Amino acid sequence: AQTVTQSQPEMSVQEAETVTLSCTYDTSESDYYLFWYKQPPSRQMILVIRQEAYKQQNATENRFSVNFQKAAKSFSLKISDSQLGDAAMYFCAYRPLLSGTYKYIFGTGTRLKVLA
Amino acid sequence: DGGITQSPKYLFRKEGQNVTLSCEQNLNHDAMYWYRQDPGQGLRLIYYSQIVNDFQKGDIAEGYSVSREKKESFPLTVTSAQKNPTAFYLCASSIDRAGQPQHFGDGTRLSIL
Repeated sequence: AQTVTQSQPEMSVQEAETVTLSCTYDTSESDYYLFWYKQPPSRQMILVIRQEAYKQQNATENRFSVNFQKAAKSFSLKISDSQLGDAAMYFCAYRPLLSGTYKYIFGTGTRLKVLA
Repeated sequence: DGGITQSPKYLFRKEGQNVTLSCEQNLNHDAMYWYRQDPGQGLRLIYYSQIVNDFQKGDIAEGYSVSREKKESFPLTVTSAQKNPTAFYLCASSIDRAGQPQHFGDGTRLSIL
């Protein structure tokens, strides 16, 4: 079965510093997509970044970037120049490409605190 | 503006009562999903639907039921068989194309009276 693991229940970072959130997954598929979602206190889920498994280049969206290591099945999120508004729960998600379903599998989340 | 609307924002259930959570989307998405969120457990899939009049059980479907009579609507009924319904419920939708992310509603908080 496919699983997604976020081993850090909580992380803290100083404002303007850089933090990395880890995510590992288990799958026998070769083609899939990976996502990071942010859930602020309002509880709305917001897409942060997306990575296609067939692309070797790591995805980047402004201050957010990923370190995708396909062989190691690792998909970490790096937040640079952390801001107070980055404080939220962050969820890693996996979706297979060819399984015939549209199921997304989520990790248990990492709560990020940003210290002023 | 296109989006997903969940209602109500807060809902209370009495013992033995069925309650229905509404989810409507105007994004013209084919696929819709219901998740339950509990502290420390992330998002767990209850049901999902890829097309109208068809839906599949997710990982925790027991005690829940859904319908998909219209493309834009995917209501979730929490039945009296669900013994621990207190949770935050999120509805999502996505385009029927590989790699497309899910879009989420603002959620419904269900509590037991």
